[in-house]
Amino acid sequence: NFVLTQPHSVSESPGKTVTISCTRSSGTIASHYVQWFQQRPGSAPTTVIYDDTQRPSGVPARFSGSIDRSSNSASLTISGLETEDEADYYCQSYHSGTYWVLGGGTKLTVL
Amino acid sequence: QVQLVQSGAEVKKPGSSVTVSCKASGGSFRTSSISWVRQAPGQGLEWMGDIIPISSVVNYAQKFQGRVTITADESTNTANIEMRALKSEDTAVIYCASRAMGDGNSKWGQGTLVTVSS
Repeated sequence: NFVLTQPHSVSESPGKTVTISCTRSSGTIASHYVQWFQQRPGSAPTTVIYDDTQRPSGVPARFSGSIDRSSNSASLTISGLETEDEADYYCQSYHSGTYWVLGGGTKLTVL
Repeated sequence: QVQLVQSGAEVKKPGSSVTVSCKASGGSFRTSSISWVRQAPGQGLEWMGDIIPISSVVNYAQKFQGRVTITADESTNTANIEMRALKSEDTAVIYCASRAMGDGNSKWGQGTLVTVSS
């Protein structure tokens, strides 16, 4: 099995751009798709990025996903930060193509 | 557009069992993959297992193997998760999430709070 490591917290000002990383401990980040979930306080998670780079309908284009083979990591980038983006963000991929592996979550503060 | 509605909050005694249900509407229940994820108070998300109704294939996280059973009823488009031998540490919100096979875009239920207390 492998671990997905995220920074515990990040903070940035409204209107700026922030990037949250998700580093895979072993195996290749490109071997299985990565998803990103947003969880606002007191709410259920929602999917903001799936299949590495795809945005579900209704998710603003300010959200983008990417993978970097050289660092074996995935990234979620949010541009033009808004206060409503303040939330916990989780990355998720698959072990053996089936079992979910979840990152520990990153708390985004927009201050 | 898939919508998932979960059953209501539960309060259970240690050693007892709980079943949480997740009813899907819209989309194709049969060809979806339904995952169960829990979140203890103040903690991160933890995957418990999933089921693919059309094949009845069920996968469990090693941590929950033997203590959790996931089922699906195609007649009612409902997935269920049963957890047995509850401990206080099992107090958590349990979420279901559904995605079409071959599609990573998961839709989430609203969550069900399970409280285990004597």
